[in-house]
Amino acid sequence: GAVVSQHPSWVICKSGTSVKIECRSLDFQATTMFWYRQFPKQSLMLMATSNEGSKATYEQGVEKDKFLINHASLTLSTLTVTSAHPEDSSFYICSARISGSYEQYFGPGTRLTVT
Amino acid sequence: AQSVAQPEDQVNVAEGNPLTVKCTYSVSGNPYLFWYVQYPNRGLQFLLKYITGDNLVKGSYGFEAEFNKSQTSFHLKKPSALVSDSALYFCAPPNFGNEKLTFGTGTRLTIIP
Repeated sequence: GAVVSQHPSWVICKSGTSVKIECRSLDFQATTMFWYRQFPKQSLMLMATSNEGSKATYEQGVEKDKFLINHASLTLSTLTVTSAHPEDSSFYICSARISGSYEQYFGPGTRLTVT
Repeated sequence: AQSVAQPEDQVNVAEGNPLTVKCTYSVSGNPYLFWYVQYPNRGLQFLLKYITGDNLVKGSYGFEAEFNKSQTSFHLKKPSALVSDSALYFCAPPNFGNEKLTFGTGTRLTIIP
């Protein structure tokens, strides 16, 4: 149980375009989802906390207009990287939390390459 | 505030030998502590957690961790390493109130055949 999927697993896009990444909890409802960014050989950096039906809470230094997060249902959160630039190239990972638990269940990640 | 330190960026262990991945913590109140593993180009997988109770916690894939309050440590251990254990390991305490995880810097474990 507690499976989280991400789609796509990898994407290449041109500079200036937008890319949407989906995060789904497959067998449980997730009131809270988290979006992380990971650079090569580094730890995970929390970008934002996504709560179903409300606006996401962004970490300091993360541009909310650039990284749009929508959590429209209890099983789906999306991250849209708008007007992508090469420096946005990274590994993006989402996680979901079951209500009442501190454990987070992670998706397999999406590798974004902006050319 | 919750924080952890993983003092070793890299740990190399010969296959079949016992392994230890270190984590020390600094938390207020009673600590909750998690270990996660990340295989190459993959998301994180939950290994084990300490909430309360026995100091020795058993988890997935034969791993265990010992909570030591006097040394403020929560080291990850396995009696006999497998090549397939080679991965990136993160110690992470949850933050009460906002449910965020605070990740350590990670330790890359390499098991040498």
